[in-house]
Amino acid sequence: DADVTQTPRNRITKTGKRIMLECSQTKGHDRMYWYRQDPGLGLRLIYYSFDVKDINKGEISDGYSVSRQAQAKFSLSLESAIPNQTALYFCATSPSWGGTEAFFGQGTRLTVV
Amino acid sequence: DQQVKQNSPSLSVQEGRISILNCDYTNSMFDYFLWYKKYPAEGPTFLISISSIKDKNEDGRFTVFLNKSAKHLSLHIVPSQPGDSAVYFCAASGQSTDSWGKLQFGAGTQVVVTP
Repeated sequence: DADVTQTPRNRITKTGKRIMLECSQTKGHDRMYWYRQDPGLGLRLIYYSFDVKDINKGEISDGYSVSRQAQAKFSLSLESAIPNQTALYFCATSPSWGGTEAFFGQGTRLTVV
Repeated sequence: DQQVKQNSPSLSVQEGRISILNCDYTNSMFDYFLWYKKYPAEGPTFLISISSIKDKNEDGRFTVFLNKSAKHLSLHIVPSQPGDSAVYFCAASGQSTDSWGKLQFGAGTQVVVTP
């Protein structure tokens, strides 16, 4: 079983719809992240959370919101999806101590039509 | 403006030969550098990292070199194997513990290892 699990793996939605991407982890890490991958741009940070009561905007947070429901759960919402939010979305976790490495989920491919 | 740049979108190498992937960065506050490997339909997986206090780190077939003055790092894979065919991302983060996990990524380099 994956340590960082994302659901759904694939989603097609219509412009204007609200959609939620979910992430759960069994690594016991306090820190969780949402990244977005676009061709030619690599991964960019959308939001991050260092513990259950902590939420921070990343580089490209406009149009997104997040919720940290528990240490193990971090969800990303698109309140009103638009086509340029079509991308590959990754959830990641990292420990608070011991290094800078982040551990990624398998990704959610989101298409907004 | 991208602070981490991988200027080669693709690299083709013969099995058994050396693969050299390059990465440049602009932010002098970066203190840790990481390489991730990504297969299709999977998330990135950590490969190797280096701290700015070192100029070389080796792990089996993978070696990362860091030239701080040039703001340049490279990943060497020797010998290259077919299973190394993947997209490789260079990433960087700052020194503070608040920066750990908050990674700046390059655009990636697609490596194809041919028989």
